[in-house]
Amino acid sequence: DAGITQSPRHKVTETGTPVTLRCHQTENHRYMYWYRQDPGHGLRLIHYSYGVKDTDKGEVSDGYSVSRSKTEDFLLTLESATSSQTSVYFCAISESGQKQETQYFGPGTRLLVL
Amino acid sequence: LAKTTQPISMDSYEGQEVNITCSHNNIATNDYITWYQQFPSQGPRFIIQGYKTKVTNEVASLFIPADRKSSTLSLPRVSLSDTAVYYCLVGATNDYKLSFGAGTTVTVRA
Repeated sequence: DAGITQSPRHKVTETGTPVTLRCHQTENHRYMYWYRQDPGHGLRLIHYSYGVKDTDKGEVSDGYSVSRSKTEDFLLTLESATSSQTSVYFCAISESGQKQETQYFGPGTRLLVL
Repeated sequence: LAKTTQPISMDSYEGQEVNITCSHNNIATNDYITWYQQFPSQGPRFIIQGYKTKVTNEVASLFIPADRKSSTLSLPRVSLSDTAVYYCLVGATNDYKLSFGAGTTVTVRA
């Protein structure tokens, strides 16, 4: 299995609170992604990174920001959490970023916003 | 991004072959077809990828007709542990973003 860890694995927070999720990889892959998964929607891309300090928005980026200061770490921040952001968040990595390149997914973070 | 359509769910029994068909009518010339598998409480994992004809690995086979407007993932002799959600994705070489739909929930019963 690819070396991807996510922290925390579970979090309960209150509306309006800032939350940061961390994705850490040991594969030295260039591309990193954050997805959210909700019932009936599959996985939806929030943000992705194509290198240190290089990031771009996905299809559901509103309310989220990201940062990548090192190759191995990709942080997802909810500046002011809302109940609609209750979800399971997955980080993924890929070597080249090309679509036929396999993406490797982390174990996920389950976030509950009360 | 090519839109894909696949069944919401499928039921099967242990030992049977499961075939999941994905429609992708607007697939582009340089698009590949990729399937992922997701077990409960885990992230998706790559199963198989193809461009045309047939691809087989130790887990599954992928059949792609000449017009490439659909593809079929075949899981031979499924077991209870094959119960999962299966996603069909279609995309080109220069697009970084994978587009997952709702997938097909396959339930294998004893």
